[in-house]
Amino acid sequence: DAGITQSPRHKVTETGTPVTLRCHQTENHRYMYWYRQDPGHGLRLIHYSYGVKDTDKGEVSDGYSVSRSKTEDFLLTLESATSSQTSVYFCAISEGQLNQPQHFGDGTRLSIL
Amino acid sequence: KQEVTQIPAALSVPEGENLVLNCSFTDSAIYNLQWFRQDPGKGLTSLLLIQSSQREQTSGRLNASLDKSSGRSTLYIAASQPGDSATYLCAAEETSGSRLTFGEGTQLTVNP
Repeated sequence: DAGITQSPRHKVTETGTPVTLRCHQTENHRYMYWYRQDPGHGLRLIHYSYGVKDTDKGEVSDGYSVSRSKTEDFLLTLESATSSQTSVYFCAISEGQLNQPQHFGDGTRLSIL
Repeated sequence: KQEVTQIPAALSVPEGENLVLNCSFTDSAIYNLQWFRQDPGKGLTSLLLIQSSQREQTSGRLNASLDKSSGRSTLYIAASQPGDSATYLCAAEETSGSRLTFGEGTQLTVNP
């Protein structure tokens, strides 16, 4: 298995609180991604990074920010959590080269009450 | 905007049956097409990746095909086993290192 660790694995918090999810990789891959998975929508890209301090928005980026200060860590922050952000969040990594798939972490289940 | 559709949404088969899962995409200008497996409460496991210039890829009992002109990919599972029960997802990659656009998946149950 690709060396991807997501933390925390589960979190319950209240509306309006800030939340930060962490993705840590040991593969030294260039690209890192944050997706959310919801019934009826499948997996959707939130943000991704193509290098240290280089990030870009995905299709559902509103309400989320990211930071990547080191190759191995990619943080996803919900500045003021809302109930619509209750979801399962997955981090993925890739080398970004032809013929190399993305590898996924085990996910973080986030509930916002 | 790329859209990916998977049919059927759910499939239940007896053990030993050969089966086909379908994936269609609207924009044929893809970089590659990836198939994943997801077990309940787990992340996604990569099964097969088909480059845009390829027609098919095989791994053990799995064979995936790609027809860019028609916007279709299929995942063929031979001699299905109860351990194959999972949700299977296909995803299209736009360019190298870019986003994956996922279908909603096919939930497969293989009955002993």
